[in-house]
Amino acid sequence: EAQVTQNPRYLITVTGKKLTVTCSQNMNHEYMSWYRQDPGLGLRQIYYSMNVEVTDKGDVPEGYKVSRKEKRNFPLILESPSPNQTSLYFCASSFVSRSYNSPLHFGNGTRLTVT
Amino acid sequence: SQQGEEDPQALSIQEGENATMNCSYKTSINNLQWYRQNSGRGLVHLILIRSNEREKHSGRLRVTLDTSKKSSSLLITASRAADTASYFCATTPGDYKLSFGAGTTVTVRA
Repeated sequence: EAQVTQNPRYLITVTGKKLTVTCSQNMNHEYMSWYRQDPGLGLRQIYYSMNVEVTDKGDVPEGYKVSRKEKRNFPLILESPSPNQTSLYFCASSFVSRSYNSPLHFGNGTRLTVT
Repeated sequence: SQQGEEDPQALSIQEGENATMNCSYKTSINNLQWYRQNSGRGLVHLILIRSNEREKHSGRLRVTLDTSKKSSSLLITASRAADTASYFCATTPGDYKLSFGAGTTVTVRA
């Protein structure tokens, strides 16, 4: 089954304790992206990647890191989490097309709480 | 930065009625997409309309696009309880920074 898999689904951690949220897709998509969703703010893009070893900042990259060593994986790293990073996180992927018309496939989300 | 903004923020309708929501955006686009999100789950792609298209249909969904007004609308006809969800528009100004609005929450009452 074609899917984007995020782990974990729920995560509660303390300020400053490094964590990684994993994301994997099995559709051979070049493009992958991370979003955070907060009430009233919609989805905001954190980082995206056009292909292996190619990453770029989205609208809210501060406090986050990503890597794209393999095509299928795009982990999100919080080196020193803070309470303002408490949010619902989504990973998404798609093919890259010249007309930017490939729909995004989303994972089921990771609800992160930082205390 | 948020490119798209949906209106209204919330909508409550009776089963069988139509639901209409609007999206306004700020800069020129290549295409506009609509997504649905069920209760904290991942978003699901519904329909894409290109900048040179004015109207598109998919099942009970009808999307219009007015590039002169920088706006789009999503119409769900003959709504069902399963249509209860949040709906988001997303725009691609010309790169892969797909930008989402804050969404419209639709509640379909039985």
